[in-house]
Amino acid sequence: DSGVTQTPKHLITATGQRVTLRCSPRSGDLSVYWYQQSLDQGLQFLIQYYNGEERAKGNILERFSAQQFPDLHSELNLSSLELGDSALYFCASSAAVGAYTEAFFGQGTRLTVV
Amino acid sequence: GDSVTQMEGPVTLSEEAFLTINCTYTATGYPSLFWYVQYPGEGLQLLLKATKADDKGSNKGFEATYRKETTSFHLEKGSVQVSDSAVYFCALNAGGTSYGKLTFGQGTILTVHP
Repeated sequence: DSGVTQTPKHLITATGQRVTLRCSPRSGDLSVYWYQQSLDQGLQFLIQYYNGEERAKGNILERFSAQQFPDLHSELNLSSLELGDSALYFCASSAAVGAYTEAFFGQGTRLTVV
Repeated sequence: GDSVTQMEGPVTLSEEAFLTINCTYTATGYPSLFWYVQYPGEGLQLLLKATKADDKGSNKGFEATYRKETTSFHLEKGSVQVSDSAVYFCALNAGGTSYGKLTFGQGTILTVHP
């Protein structure tokens, strides 16, 4: 158990809908990262928050947004969903943000858009 | 930009065979290098890491050496077990303004038969 909790584990929704994925980081970790894993794109970095502030942004679509709350949990909001958004979404957390940082991953949320 | 290239899979081996999964990277500066493993239905787990040139990371019989001259971080294990069947990801953390985000290779599926 990595200590990172993601909910829900599975989500099935229709095109055009909006969903929210939740992540609770390991106790004491200030940094949260979101990654998308799909068959064609592999593991792609989406966005990172550190202590409530956005620090880095990757290939995140404008339809997607995220935030980190004062209790350090994070939510990833996906709207106007398309079939191509079906993927496994991972959250990771780390204590620091330097080059030596070790990130711990949750078990992921599998999103299926039908 | 930063990138990681892994050998194409899938890799199929018999138990007790020798394993090598090749990984090369492109990055500015001095990245840290990681191998993560994903067992079926689970999140990513850190397998080993190396933070500077010539460092050797090791864990559970797996080893990888950070070779700056060849920009490589190949994963090896002398004798694989059925329980090693999983997807293996090579990743780098470029440090600096990447704020701890990981850039992943495409993953290599390993299947070990009894």
